[in-house]
Amino acid sequence: QVQLQQSGPGLVKPSQTLSLTCAISGDSVSSNSATWHWIRQSPSRGLEWLGRTYYRSEWFKDCAVSVKSRMTINPDTSKNQFSLQLNSMTPEDTAIYYCARTVAGTGVFQIWGQGTMVTVSS
Amino acid sequence: EIVLTQSPGTLSLSPGERATLSCRASQSVSSSILGWYQQKPGQAPRLLIYGASSRATGIPDRFSGSGSGTDFTLTISRLEPEDFAVYYCQQHSISPPTYPFGQGTKLEIK
Repeated sequence: QVQLQQSGPGLVKPSQTLSLTCAISGDSVSSNSATWHWIRQSPSRGLEWLGRTYYRSEWFKDCAVSVKSRMTINPDTSKNQFSLQLNSMTPEDTAIYYCARTVAGTGVFQIWGQGTMVTVSS
Repeated sequence: EIVLTQSPGTLSLSPGERATLSCRASQSVSSSILGWYQQKPGQAPRLLIYGASSRATGIPDRFSGSGSGTDFTLTISRLEPEDFAVYYCQQHSISPPTYPFGQGTKLEIK
């Protein structure tokens, strides 16, 4: 049974960097058939896909245009997890952040982390 | 980028009734990558339907999906009390990669 466990702070100051981690159990971050994502949800923006990483003989990473200049997503094979870093945070980045998994060919999010409520405030 | 528009915004029905939720895409999309999710307060979304019409593991058969091109539908044949929630559709475009969601339909008890 695949499970995703998120960790990270719930409060970030404006201009600082958000760092979140998603630990994977029951699957491998290096799986050739899974893709690992970050998604956020806010009342103003709804559900918004942020980025993904996956391994297909080499590592690939993609980010949404809206956050591309500020976001880094990294796999950590030694800990079987992946992370999100979003810098230059503003109050508009206040949201619930989720990690999630898709399986190759389906394009839908079968497994979700529990979510992390992140507030950007001084 | 493809935009998904869901209707109605809110649907008020009673247990036992049939619910029909709509998701319209701004341009034709592959039905092989169209999903529906249920979200309850304080929980992450849960996948109900993938490939427009295939039920995810453990999803009751009162949930069904249909559609193609730009128009997709989620139907709940007989509403149970636990079905009252917010429902989202979602699609995936390959190049550039995007995973847009609809804005959601709230299914509330009448």
